[in-house]
Amino acid sequence: NAGVTQTPKFQVLKTGQSMTLQCAQDMNHNSMYWYRQDPGMGLRLIYYSASEGTTDKGEVPNGYNVSRLNKREFSLRLESAAPSQTSVYFCASKLNTGPLYGYTFGSGTRLTVV
Amino acid sequence: LAKTTQPISMDSYEGQEVNITCSHNNIATNDYITWYQQFPSQGPRFIIQGYKTKVTNEVASLFIPADRKSSTLSLPRVSLSDTAVYYCLVVRGNTNAGKSTFGDGTTLTVKP
Repeated sequence: NAGVTQTPKFQVLKTGQSMTLQCAQDMNHNSMYWYRQDPGMGLRLIYYSASEGTTDKGEVPNGYNVSRLNKREFSLRLESAAPSQTSVYFCASKLNTGPLYGYTFGSGTRLTVV
Repeated sequence: LAKTTQPISMDSYEGQEVNITCSHNNIATNDYITWYQQFPSQGPRFIIQGYKTKVTNEVASLFIPADRKSSTLSLPRVSLSDTAVYYCLVVRGNTNAGKSTFGDGTTLTVKP
C-alpha cells in the first residue's frame, strides 16, 4: 500500500548508543517531517525537509541530525542517545509545504533509551 | 505560527453530535486551520481543513467565524470508533512554510 514506511517499529537503546531511524514514502511527496510524541502529549517537530536537498530545524532539534537521502527517504539519527529521547517518533510527508495538502504519517517508531 | 488551545478532554455518548473548539487568537491572514485524528499506536490522520465559514466532508464539518480566532470541529452522530485524540493545527498559507505545530489535542471518549 502507498504511504509512509518507518523502520524499525520498536527499538531499545542504551544511553550513549547511536542509531538511525529510517523513513520512506512512495507518494512522490516533496516535503518530509520528523516528529516526536511523548506519552500523553502532542507532536513536536524535530526537523523537516521542504524539498529534496534542504533540511531545517523544528521545535526540538537538539540531539538529532537528519539526512534527506533522496526524494523518497528522510532519516533521523541519534548520535548519543539519552533517556530523555525515549519517545514515539513519527515520520510524515506532504505533497508540498503549503496548506492545501494534509500530512500523511507513518505508523511510528517506539524508542526506549535505558 | 499561531498557538492553538483546545480542551484537554471531552466525553460523549454514541449517537450524539460532538463539537470541539480550538482557539487560535494570533492567526495570520494567510493561515489555514486543519484538524487531525489520532488513534492509539497510530500516526495522526487528516480530517478536514478550512479558511473561513463552513467546510463539510464525509467525516466532519468545520466552522470558522468571521474573525477566524477560533474554529469548531463538529462530528455528527459519533460512535465508539470515534474515540481518539483530535488536534487542531494552524498551517501557514504560503508554499515555503514548513513548520506546523501540533498542540496537545483533545481526547474524545465516546461511551456506549
